[in-house]
Amino acid sequence: EAGVVQSPRYKIIEKKQPVAFWCNPISGHNTLYWYLQNLGQGPELLIRYENEEAVDDSQLPKDRFSAERLKGVDSTLKIQPAELGDSAVYLCASSFWGANNEQFFGPGTRLTVL
Amino acid sequence: GEDVEQSLFLSVREGDSSVINCTYTDSSSTYLYWYKQEPGAGLQLLTYIFSNMDMKQDQRLTVLLNKKDKHLSLRIADTQTGDSAIYFCADRSGNTPLVFGKGTRLSVIA
Repeated sequence: EAGVVQSPRYKIIEKKQPVAFWCNPISGHNTLYWYLQNLGQGPELLIRYENEEAVDDSQLPKDRFSAERLKGVDSTLKIQPAELGDSAVYLCASSFWGANNEQFFGPGTRLTVL
Repeated sequence: GEDVEQSLFLSVREGDSSVINCTYTDSSSTYLYWYKQEPGAGLQLLTYIFSNMDMKQDQRLTVLLNKKDKHLSLRIADTQTGDSAIYFCADRSGNTPLVFGKGTRLSVIA
């Protein structure tokens, strides 16, 4: 069974440029998460989708970040414009929302903003 | 807000047991998790424990939960070099999202 797929794995951009990350969750998982992981820190939730609906986006900086999950499957996270402080790893995870809520993580996209 | 704390580093000799500790503040936590992250990879769920349990064993892994003290530990028996990674403790209360600690970097010396 394929795991959570993310692309690109690495991205280097100059500040003020836009950037987009893509995530394909495990087939059949109704819940999708985007996390931000800064160096030396644990992941922090940016947004959670249940099917197509964003049910928790309280930590998403909405002035520059946006996300979508069309048709309740793939998702895209966008930053426009990127700032130096956005350099981090962006992790996508998916699960069946319920009892133990086991989340399966993708390998992440490492973003470097110069 | 809710907080999860871990020691940042642990170094052990190959073959010894490793014990990674975690404390959390949310008294209503229902599930507590241990994740492993290897370099350049995402997080892999190792094990989890429901809050009404005080111990769970899975092969070389033993999880102990002291709910009164809000303390969780992960013991890895017969630690191998392949166990070198960052280990994250996380908790969840009801329908709230996971809250992660900063991770403990385990180094295994051959």
